[in-house]
Amino acid sequence: QVQLQGSGPGLVKPSQTLSLSCTVSGGSVSSGGYYWSWIRQHPGKGLEWIGYIYYTGSTYYNPSLKSRVTISMDTSKNQFSLKLTSVTAADTAVYYCVRVISWGGNTKFDPWGQGTLVTVSS
Amino acid sequence: QSVLTQPPSASGTPGQRVTISCSGSNSNIGSYTVNWYQQFPGTAPKLLIFSNDQRPSGVPDRFSGSKSGTSASLAISGLQSEDEADYHCAAWDDSLRGYVFGSGTRVTVL
Repeated sequence: QVQLQGSGPGLVKPSQTLSLSCTVSGGSVSSGGYYWSWIRQHPGKGLEWIGYIYYTGSTYYNPSLKSRVTISMDTSKNQFSLKLTSVTAADTAVYYCVRVISWGGNTKFDPWGQGTLVTVSS
Repeated sequence: QSVLTQPPSASGTPGQRVTISCSGSNSNIGSYTVNWYQQFPGTAPKLLIFSNDQRPSGVPDRFSGSKSGTSASLAISGLQSEDEADYHCAAWDDSLRGYVFGSGTRVTVL
């Protein structure tokens, strides 16, 4: 079955760019019909959707983060990635990569990667 | 502050039925289907219910979901100790033009 494995630095300095990757196994990021998403969870808080990329390369971002977010895909590595610029302490969170299945008005996030804790601190 | 409103906690004794509410608006739950995710401490969320009331394979049938108007509910029948976890509801929101989650409900088995 499809598995997702996130990776990247666990510590980022304020004002710098957070960069994470997600490697997909058991399936292809270029498989038709799937979106690939990033979701984050601030410590002790609820979940926040960041955005997703379609298998065609089209992207859609949370309007509240859109000016700072880029999600891209590397089909040769079977990966998709997240870049978040100009980070502050408010961006400290666990970042999850997730596959999205969407059909006829329904959407489900499944499966989820294990999560990567990113701390923004000098 | 989350767009979807959930109670912060719920509890019950083994065997009891526990219900968790998720309140939204016409721009989210009122127009789109609701999913529920189960999350154990220190682990990633897992899909529990999709399309309001559908269980993925492997999810016990003691978990059930429903939706009415701008609210949704998750029910756990025959509560077990292994059900202690956080439960999050989620739906698309037209006004915010994004996917939104509830703040999560922690279920405790007494």
